[in-house]
Amino acid sequence: GAVVSQHPSRVICKSGTSVKIECRSLDFQATTMFWYRQFPKQSLMLMATSNEGSKATYEQGVEKDKFLINHASLTLSTLTVTSAHPEDSSFYICSARDRRGRSGELFFGEGSRLTVL
Amino acid sequence: DQQVKQNSPSLSVQEGRISILNCDYTNSMFDYFLWYKKYPAEGPTFLISISSIKDKNEDGRFTVFLNKSAKHLSLHIVPSQPGDSAVYFCAASDNFNKFYFGSGTKLNVKP
Repeated sequence: GAVVSQHPSRVICKSGTSVKIECRSLDFQATTMFWYRQFPKQSLMLMATSNEGSKATYEQGVEKDKFLINHASLTLSTLTVTSAHPEDSSFYICSARDRRGRSGELFFGEGSRLTVL
Repeated sequence: DQQVKQNSPSLSVQEGRISILNCDYTNSMFDYFLWYKKYPAEGPTFLISISSIKDKNEDGRFTVFLNKSAKHLSLHIVPSQPGDSAVYFCAASDNFNKFYFGSGTKLNVKP
């Protein structure tokens, strides 16, 4: 099946620094990628929809200047958490839809655990 | 406000019996529903889906039922196997534009 790779899987950073998380579709082209955040025992919260070659669409309540999303190619989307604070500590996970595949099927990365000290 | 809800955080079932996982949604614009399975330290993997024009979709041991009037869907696993133990997420989409997930139900199938 299709593979989505997310890197890094774990990152620890100091408060005030920026962290970049990469999401790659390894064997398919993804015109659309989705970024989710998961709090403990809660659902995957959709943060933004990343479209190749255009600006990301952010969900209500998500700060676009804090969570910078870039979808520069059909296989890569990045999420940059700028000026990270401890409250940004969370599990971030990306997903992509294979535009050739079954409609609606999303493929997920392994997720990235961010800890801000 | 959560648009997709899974009210049971956990479920324990004996091997060989049926597992029923439930999911409710609030947005009547949702027209596509999916179930994902997640093991620890891995991303969710697609399990089965259903379009709003259907009320049932079956794939091997897995069957998803959709009740649009009640805005409710369920996943049935028959017979349940220990390898089915995982967290199950339901998701809903409006014309594939966005996908919203429930909080997950942790299924434990006891040998």
